[in-house]
Amino acid sequence: GDSVTQTEGLVTLTEGLPVMLNCTYQSTYSPFLFWYVQHLNEAPKLLLKSFTDNKRPEHQGFHATLHKSSSSFHLQKSSAQLSDSALYYCALSSNYQLIWGSGTKLIIKP
Amino acid sequence: GGIITQTPKFLIGQEGQKLTLKCQQNFNHDTMYWYRQDSGKGLRLIYYSITENDLQKGDLSEGYDASREKKSSFSLTVTSAQKNEMAVFLCASSTDRGNSGNTLYFGEGSRLIVV
Repeated sequence: GDSVTQTEGLVTLTEGLPVMLNCTYQSTYSPFLFWYVQHLNEAPKLLLKSFTDNKRPEHQGFHATLHKSSSSFHLQKSSAQLSDSALYYCALSSNYQLIWGSGTKLIIKP
Repeated sequence: GGIITQTPKFLIGQEGQKLTLKCQQNFNHDTMYWYRQDSGKGLRLIYYSITENDLQKGDLSEGYDASREKKSSFSLTVTSAQKNEMAVFLCASSTDRGNSGNTLYFGEGSRLIVV
């Protein structure tokens, strides 16, 4: 069946360093891929989404390129900020549902 | 913009008790969802509803009931609370089932505590 894999449960970085959170997926069809972010005690909200191969949507300094050849949708940012500390979920649309990865907790230290 | 309101924010109950969580949205969205959030396990779908009075089971529906009596509201009942069910429950809504790329909007969550 369809699935999403986020290999890192926890990523800790120093402010100013680049961020990369991994997301790979398996899907029978060509799905939409999403990144959602959840700050502490807040609701998850959409950060980015993509359907088109090799297109790079951006939002709040984050970007992610959907590579269908490698089934990946890694999230990147060139310079981490303290306010980026949050839980990040990768998800794909499948058969009228969203399939979610297990989430990556990102902690940014001064 | 709209908002999703979940009540209560904290629900404390005893083992074996029937407990209900409520969710209201003013987006006028057709589809609503209940997810369970456990640390390190992502979001797992319990129930969803594509319109008033419709119910669809997710992967985690056993032990839960749901009700969609109005377009704007979706409630979730834990039929017999167990200590291993302590988690955060998230309600969400969307203009569709999410398969065409539409955004899900979430409430802030309700934490279930079983004593």
